[in-house]
Amino acid sequence: EAGVAQSPRYKIIEKRQSVAFWCNPISGHATLYWYQQILGQGPKLLIQFQNNGVVDDSQLPKDRFSAERLKGVDSTLKIQPAKLEDSAVYLCASSLVGLTSNTEAFFGQGTRLTVV
Amino acid sequence: AQSVAQPEDQVNVAEGNPLTVKCTYSVSGNPYLFWYVQYPNRGLQFLLKYITGDNLVKGSYGFEAEFNKSQTSFHLKKPSALVSDSALYFCAVRDTNDYKLSFGAGTTVTVRA
Repeated sequence: EAGVAQSPRYKIIEKRQSVAFWCNPISGHATLYWYQQILGQGPKLLIQFQNNGVVDDSQLPKDRFSAERLKGVDSTLKIQPAKLEDSAVYLCASSLVGLTSNTEAFFGQGTRLTVV
Repeated sequence: AQSVAQPEDQVNVAEGNPLTVKCTYSVSGNPYLFWYVQYPNRGLQFLLKYITGDNLVKGSYGFEAEFNKSQTSFHLKKPSALVSDSALYFCAVRDTNDYKLSFGAGTTVTVRA
């Protein structure tokens, strides 16, 4: 079974520029997560989708971050404009069933963003 | 709201010795608990989970974890560590009254030959 695909793997941008990340979850997985992992810290949930609906985006900085999941499959996460503190690895994950499910999440390799 | 604590930033053990990585959690309902491992420049890989039933859970690569409800802990263990076990380990929890999957800060494990 193919895993969670993310692109690009690496991205370097200047502050105030915009950037977009793409994620293709495991086929059939209803739940999709975007996490931000700053060096030395655990992953922090930015947004969680159930199919194409948002179930939690309480930690998403909505003044600069946006995410969408069209047709309940692929997802994109955008940052506009980027700040230095956005430098992190952005992880996408998916799981078969969401909400209060006991199923584990499967993670992509992540996109390492460096803002200079 | 749920939270996870990993009290040790680093754990160092000699190859062949037992390995323990500690995790405590806080939830309002009942917990679903998970352990993940992360190798350099890689995503998180699932190791094992506790849902219900037997408090001792066995997972991948010879790892196991023990759920202790009274101590709200879910420590990861391996009887005999390998150098290849050197990595970053994350504990995660989902509250059955919520849906968010929350992670601890991680513990770096170094196994010396």
